[in-house]
Amino acid sequence: DTAVSQTPKYLVTQMGNDKSIKCEQNLGHDTMYWYKQDSKKFLKIMFSYNNKELIINETVPNRFSPKSPDKAHLNLHINSLELGDSAVYFCASSQQGGINSPLHFGNGTRLTVT
Amino acid sequence: SQKIEQNSEALNIQEGKTATLTCNYTNYSPAYLQWYRQDPGRGPVFLLLIRENEKEKRKERLKVTFDTTLKQSLFHITASQPADSATYLCALRSNDYKLSFGAGTTVTVRA
Repeated sequence: DTAVSQTPKYLVTQMGNDKSIKCEQNLGHDTMYWYKQDSKKFLKIMFSYNNKELIINETVPNRFSPKSPDKAHLNLHINSLELGDSAVYFCASSQQGGINSPLHFGNGTRLTVT
Repeated sequence: SQKIEQNSEALNIQEGKTATLTCNYTNYSPAYLQWYRQDPGRGPVFLLLIRENEKEKRKERLKVTFDTTLKQSLFHITASQPADSATYLCALRSNDYKLSFGAGTTVTVRA
């Protein structure tokens, strides 16, 4: 069973379009995250939700909007896509967001904006 | 500003040797430090966590040290194997619970 699953795995779209990435975890974790990994492989946190409540919101353009319908799901909607949005987006989860809780990552969604 | 630096982008070693990776940090006061492994096309996978009061932690052929005075962690892969080839990331949580990652070191083990 996949613990953290993201769909789609690949997403190719044109500038200006709106797209969504879905994430689900079956680990029973309370906290979920979105990270962005750029072409230099640097992982940067975007958002974090704990029990459906937004707790971390980094400096991300407001074209990016996370939505957590329940604590097992965290989706990412991106409006008006730009070339610079091309990256790999990772969803992750952890138990209670505690300071020593390891993160469990999905296998990423590679977004290419043309 | 807070920084996490992994001192080399790439490390090539011969099978059977020990790989040593370095993670240095500034402007963090972490109680814990984590190490992850990332394979191409996959998400990072948690390997080890070491607490500030632990000098050393081991898991199979992996060994991690944590020196809060030097603000440094060393990650060792002993008796390395080609299957150990991957990118290794260190990670720290800041006081606001954000887990931040270093840029990673890509290890290639030659048979």
